[in-house]
Amino acid sequence: EVQLVESGGGLVQPGRSLRLSCAASGFTFDDYAMHWVRQAPGKGLEWVSGISWNSGSIGYADSVKGRFTISRDNAKNSLYLQMNSLRAEDTALYYCAKEGSGWYLENWGQGTLVTVSS
Amino acid sequence: DIQMTQSPSSLSASVGDRVTITCQASQDISNYLNWYQQKPGKAPKLLIYDASNLETGVPSRFSGSGSGTDFTFTISSLQPEDIATYYCQQYDNLRITFGPGTKVDIK
Repeated sequence: EVQLVESGGGLVQPGRSLRLSCAASGFTFDDYAMHWVRQAPGKGLEWVSGISWNSGSIGYADSVKGRFTISRDNAKNSLYLQMNSLRAEDTALYYCAKEGSGWYLENWGQGTLVTVSS
Repeated sequence: DIQMTQSPSSLSASVGDRVTITCQASQDISNYLNWYQQKPGKAPKLLIYDASNLETGVPSRFSGSGSGTDFTFTISSLQPEDIATYYCQQYDNLRITFGPGTKVDIK
């Protein structure tokens, strides 16, 4: 069974940093691209970033480009999101998601909540 | 960037009704269009991929169609457990865009 477990969320002041982690199990991690998707309270889904299986291709939403960095450690079956210069508008539930065999998000974690507030 | 629109933004229907949601892309995305269901307090769940393929384990009352820029998602007979928000999503070269969502509830 595929499991994705996010961690690292919490309350942080504007301008500070936070690193999210996603621990993956139940599948061959280095066979799949992975993504971060966020959802602000009461709002819709917003894609944040994606990374190919070998980290050779990476993409970011314009809203986080230059502030967030996605990475993965295939030896540890883990996905990361380094978030710097956090803003109030980054407050959201952050989901880790695994691509399927095609261009869709087949499995999702339960999310980790990031709150940016002074 | 490719933009996605959905309509309606919300709808209310009776149990057993046929429900249709449309999604439009700002440019041709072939059939790279997926549909997700999100129930309150839960993570999104993939229902339809590549415009018309039903994900394993998803009830057959859910279906999708379309290609290019115009897509349709249908629930053939609405059930109480289908109360959720539905999102379309496109994928273009490791960049993903979601539609704004359609909230479905029971009349």
